[in-house]
Amino acid sequence: DVKVTQSSRYLVKRTGEKVFLECVQDMDHENMFWYRQDPGLGLRLIYFSYDVKMKEKGDIPEGYSVSREKKERFSLILESASTNQTSMYLCASSRDRGPQRDTQYFGPGTRLTVL
Amino acid sequence: LAKTTQPISMDSYEGQEVNITCSHNNIATNDYITWYQQFPSQGPRFIIQGYKTKVTNEVASLFIPADRKSSTLSLPRVSLSDTAVYYCLVGARLLNTGGFKTIFGAGTRLFVKA
Repeated sequence: DVKVTQSSRYLVKRTGEKVFLECVQDMDHENMFWYRQDPGLGLRLIYFSYDVKMKEKGDIPEGYSVSREKKERFSLILESASTNQTSMYLCASSRDRGPQRDTQYFGPGTRLTVL
Repeated sequence: LAKTTQPISMDSYEGQEVNITCSHNNIATNDYITWYQQFPSQGPRFIIQGYKTKVTNEVASLFIPADRKSSTLSLPRVSLSDTAVYYCLVGARLLNTGGFKTIFGAGTRLFVKA
C-alpha cells in the first residue's frame, strides 16, 4: 500500500513566519505534488516535481517555494506566511506512467491557520 | 486537455446502486479516465481507472462506451460512509518543460441518506 505522510495534521502560525510543510512517500514514486484546497475553489496545484531537484510551478506558486533533495521527500515552504495562505495543504505522489494515466496518492493533509 | 462535466450533487439512499456519469467529449486517444473519492478533511483517494469497456475492482465499476466520450462510475449498494465528493479526471495538461498538470474539477457531491 502506498503511504504518503505529512509532517503535521494541524498547524497554527503567525503572519510573517517561515513555514515548512514536509511530505514523505514510501513507494519510490518519481512525481510529487503540492495542492491547496479551499471551499468553493477546489484543489489547486501549487508546485510539482517529477525528479529529484526538479520542480515545476503549478497554477498558484506565488508566495511558495519547494525543495526536493531526496526522491521520497518534497517540502513546501511559505517564505513569509500571510493570512490568505490559511488553507488545507495536500501532498500527493505518483509513479511515472505518463500523464495520460497518472494516478496520484494523497497524504492526509495539513490544515494551516495563519493568524 | 479534455474538459469534464459531471453533476454537482446527487442524493441516494443506503443499499441503492449509484451511477455518476462524467462527460468528456474531447478525450484524446491516449487519455485514461480516473476517478477519485474525497471525504471531508481528507485527501482524495484513487478509486478506479480505465481506458475502455468495463473495469471493476473491490470498490466500484467503471463503464466506458466505445466512443469514450463519457464514463459512468458505479457504486454498488452504497452506505452512509460513501458520502463524499467524487472527481472524474481525464488525462493531464502537458507542459513544454516535459511536465504535466492534473486538473481536478468541482466533482460530484454524493449524499447517502439512511
